[in-house]
Amino acid sequence: DAGVTQSPTHLIKTRGQQVTLRCSPKSGHDTVSWYQQALGQGPQFIFQYYEEEERQRGNFPDRFSGHQFPNYSSELNVNALLLGDSALYLCASSLRAGAYEQYFGPGTRLTVT
Amino acid sequence: AQKITQTQPGMFVQEKEAVTLDCTYDTSDPSYGLFWYKQPSSGEMIFLIYQGSYDQQNATEGRYSLNFQKARKSANLVISASQLGDSAMYFCAMRGANTNAGKSTFGDGTTLTVKP
Repeated sequence: DAGVTQSPTHLIKTRGQQVTLRCSPKSGHDTVSWYQQALGQGPQFIFQYYEEEERQRGNFPDRFSGHQFPNYSSELNVNALLLGDSALYLCASSLRAGAYEQYFGPGTRLTVT
Repeated sequence: AQKITQTQPGMFVQEKEAVTLDCTYDTSDPSYGLFWYKQPSSGEMIFLIYQGSYDQQNATEGRYSLNFQKARKSANLVISASQLGDSAMYFCAMRGANTNAGKSTFGDGTTLTVKP
């Protein structure tokens, strides 16, 4: 049973560039949430996707956008990168109905220089 | 709004001893779930234990137990018989029902170091 997978593992970008991160949910899960974790802090909720629509959003600017595909996989896009966007980006999957449990992927480490 | 507070930035414990990691929370949701995750230096967030707000008994998972005191809004994690591999960052988190469903709110974490 495959868990949550994310790609790439690490990424280095320059200020002003755009980046796309990818996530495949755990088998059987239909909901994907994205989190940003700055060094030494807890993860911060970015947004959640279900049925290919953004259902909830945290306090992140419009530079952060996403997409969910019919196979439930998801992308996180960040435009006009800032140095402060350097962080570990975590994807979590869950079942929309029922359990509170979320399973996290290994994360993508983004460094903006 | 939901809020999680972890007041212990760092904790030390001797191998084979028990340790309690503190967590207090605040929410307006009548129904919610409380979680603990372990994050090793590799970065992956590992689910440890879950407690539902209406569960009558405290949750246990092997060496992990959750001391849930609803009136005090606390959800402390107890690790019994600590092992060297328990050294990691530990996060308390919560998810609500209704408007907050699906969104997890995390504390700032506690770094646990197990000494041999």
